[in-house]
Parts: sequence; C-alpha cells; structure tokens
Amino acid sequence: DAGVIQSPRHEVTEMGQEVTLRCKPISGHDYLFWYRQTMMRGLELLIYFNNNVPIDDSGMPEDRFSAKMPNASFSTLKIQPSEPRDSAVYFCASQRGTGGNEQYFGPGTRLTVT
Amino acid sequence: AQTVTQSQPEMSVQEAETVTLSCTYDTSESDYYLFWYKQPPSRQMILVIRQEAYKQQNATENRFSVNFQKAAKSFSLKISDSQLGDAAMYFCAYRGLNFGNEKLTFGTGTRLTIIP
Repeated sequence: DAGVIQSPRHEVTEMGQEVTLRCKPISGHDYLFWYRQTMMRGLELLIYFNNNVPIDDSGMPEDRFSAKMPNASFSTLKIQPSEPRDSAVYFCASQRGTGGNEQYFGPGTRLTVT
Repeated sequence: AQTVTQSQPEMSVQEAETVTLSCTYDTSESDYYLFWYKQPPSRQMILVIRQEAYKQQNATENRFSVNFQKAAKSFSLKISDSQLGDAAMYFCAYRGLNFGNEKLTFGTGTRLTIIP
C-alpha cells in the first residue's frame, strides 16, 4: 500500500490567497483526520471524518478553514483567505475502525504564508 | 478535556545505553489508549508503541517498552540499546475509547539526541 498521500508537500503563498491541501487516505480506512503542527501549539486536531461525515470539527480555528470529504478516497482542507499565522505543517492521517487501531500519518504539507 | 504533559523538552543518551522519556496525562475516563509516536527529521509520524489502559501488562516492541502506571496517570517510554536512528522527536498521545472520541491528544514532545 502507498500509505497516506498528501499534496503538495510544500506550499508557499501570499497572505490573502486561497490554499487547498489534499489528502488520499489508505484504501479501506474509514476514518480521516487533519492535524496541524506548529512550534507554539504543537500537534492539534483540526477535524476528523468517519465514513466521509465530519464527526468533530471543534479544532477548526475559524471560518477561514473548511474541510470536505466528497468520497472515501479524497479529502481537502481549504484556507481562504490565508494569513501568516496559518503557517504550519498540516498532517492528514487515516485509520481503519475504532479502538486502539493505528492512525497512519501522511508526510505532511509545509505551508508558508508570507 | 484530556491533557498530555511531557516535561522533558530535550534528552540525550549515549549510543547503546538506555533512556526513559516521561509522560503524564489527565483524564476522567476509565478506559482509553496511550501511544508513543516518533517524528524523525523527515517529519513523518511513526507509531512506536501503544498501550490499552484496561491491560495491566506493559507493552513492549523490541527495544521499546513502556511503564504504564494507571493510578498515577503516567506512561513512560524506555528505549534500550539506543541507536543513532532513534534520534527524533517523541510524542506521547492519548485517545479515548468511545465512538466520537477518536482524536489523538498529543504532548509537546521530547527531542532525543543520541551521542555516538
């Protein structure tokens, strides 16, 4: 299996621009998570889906952030408009079933907003 | 809300020696899962070991083992025979047991340096 795939790996954009991060989970996994990693706040959950339905979006910072999962093999995280404080590494992770099953992380997207 | 605390921002160990990384957590739940993840410079998050809170036996994975003290809410990671490839950030993480509680709550991490 190819693992969780994220694109792009690096993104540099100017403040005010729209940014779209993409994720393809591992086939057969029914949970998908978006995490953000910053020096100030560490690793924090933004939102997660089960069977393409958002379950917990309490970590989404504000209305500028939105996430969708139109089907079992694709998810997007969109920031519009972007701000310098959104600069971070964004991870997508997927998991099969509940319980102590492992969450498999993608390689992350490093976003820089200038 | 659950919290995870890693009080050691940095640790170092001589190659082939043993090192223990500390983690404490706070929860009102009786059953849950605990994890240690490794993040090398490549930034890939890699699961090292997991522990089910309802199991009294400490988990082990080759050179990695945990000391799980449920009453004390402590979950330390012991790395034996440290190798250069063990150099990384290590994150302790908590996850609840019930549906709707699948998210991982992470500690702030411990940077481990291996001294040749």
